[in-house]
Amino acid sequence: DAGITQSPRHKVTETGTPVTLRCHQTENHRYMYWYRQDPGHGLRLIHYSYGVKDTDKGEVSDGYSVSRSKTEDFLLTLESATSSQTSVYFCAIRGTWRDTEAFFGQGTRLTVV
Amino acid sequence: TQLLEQSPQFLSIQEGENLTVYCNSSSVFSSLQWYRQEPGEGPVLLVTVVTGGEVKKLKRLTFQFGDARKDSSLHITAAQPGDTGLYLCAGVIGNQFYFGTGTSLTVIP
Repeated sequence: DAGITQSPRHKVTETGTPVTLRCHQTENHRYMYWYRQDPGHGLRLIHYSYGVKDTDKGEVSDGYSVSRSKTEDFLLTLESATSSQTSVYFCAIRGTWRDTEAFFGQGTRLTVV
Repeated sequence: TQLLEQSPQFLSIQEGENLTVYCNSSSVFSSLQWYRQEPGEGPVLLVTVVTGGEVKKLKRLTFQFGDARKDSSLHITAAQPGDTGLYLCAGVIGNQFYFGTGTSLTVIP
């Protein structure tokens, strides 16, 4: 299995509080992705990174920011959590632009109350 | 609006039946993948198709990439309870993977 660890696995937070989710990989892969998964929507891309300090927005980036200061870590921050951000968040990694497979973490279930 | 639409969204069938799941888009992809996801886990890759018209078989699963590389189908023959899960297609454009809306399959013993 690809070495991807997401933390925390579960979190309940209050509306308006900041939240940071962490994705850690041991594969030295260049590309890292944050997705959210909601019923009826499949997986939707929030942000992705193509190298250290190189990030770009996905299709649902509003309300989220990311940082990648090291190859192995990709952080997703909700600056001020809202109930609409209640979701399951998945991190994925990919080696090079030629690689067609993405490897996924086990997900973080976030509930904003 | 999502780039990839899957149908049906839910499918409940009896063991031994055949089924087909469709993944459609108006965009052209460099490759298309199918993933399977179990509850509480991340998606796991089943297959990647790259060439328009390509057909790949994985035991009882047959995957086809459309000639124009805009759509794909997954056919399962003689479904078994172990096939139960969420099936997701994903199209690759540049650096991004675009996922379909998902098909939740339940195979009843």
